[in-house]
Amino acid sequence: NAGVTQTPKFRVLKTGQSMTLLCAQDMNHEYMYWYRQDPGMGLRLIHYSVGEGTTAKGEVPDGYNVSRLKKQNFLLGLESAAPSQTSVYFCASSPGGRGRYQETQYFGPGTRLLVL
Amino acid sequence: EDQVTQSPEALRLQEGESSSLNCSYTVSGLRGLFWYRQDPGKGPEFLFTLYSAGEEKEKERLKATLTKKESFLHITAPKPEDSATYLCAVKDRESGGSYIPTFGRGTSLIVHP
Repeated sequence: NAGVTQTPKFRVLKTGQSMTLLCAQDMNHEYMYWYRQDPGMGLRLIHYSVGEGTTAKGEVPDGYNVSRLKKQNFLLGLESAAPSQTSVYFCASSPGGRGRYQETQYFGPGTRLLVL
Repeated sequence: EDQVTQSPEALRLQEGESSSLNCSYTVSGLRGLFWYRQDPGKGPEFLFTLYSAGEEKEKERLKATLTKKESFLHITAPKPEDSATYLCAVKDRESGGSYIPTFGRGTSLIVHP
């Protein structure tokens, strides 16, 4: 199993450009998440999904949109990139449900985004 | 106000010098506390889950403990390969049915040979 994969690994954008980050998981997990990680700020949740066709806002959703058309994929879109969106983006998935050990998150390797 | 506070922010140890990392939390009701390890340039990797005060988990040189207000990650006789950032995350019973965790800012550990 590949686990959680992210595409691309690194990207440079100019202010105002758009792009989509792709996250894929092969563990049949219900929940998926997008985080950004900035120095000194820790992991901050952007958006998340508790199942195919559902999405919800996290702590820092402004400037981002998401879609989960297929259970295994979670897309993060930047419609008009800004320098403040320069960050490392991590996708994660978890089995979901209320039982113990259904909540462990599995993270992808990250996408480094630089907005000039 | 942060729900999850990790200390220290950074820690430097000599190989073999045991120490502890702290994660203090403020929640309505703890659903679970999670420890992750993150190596430079990589995503966080799951280490432990703790659910109730008094619970302990061990893995090699790492031991995680939990009280009603904080968790400790004890590192016994660390080796240079233990160098990483250690992240703590907490799930609150009152956060709704979606069980979204809140992460602390992490402790950066460097173990010198």
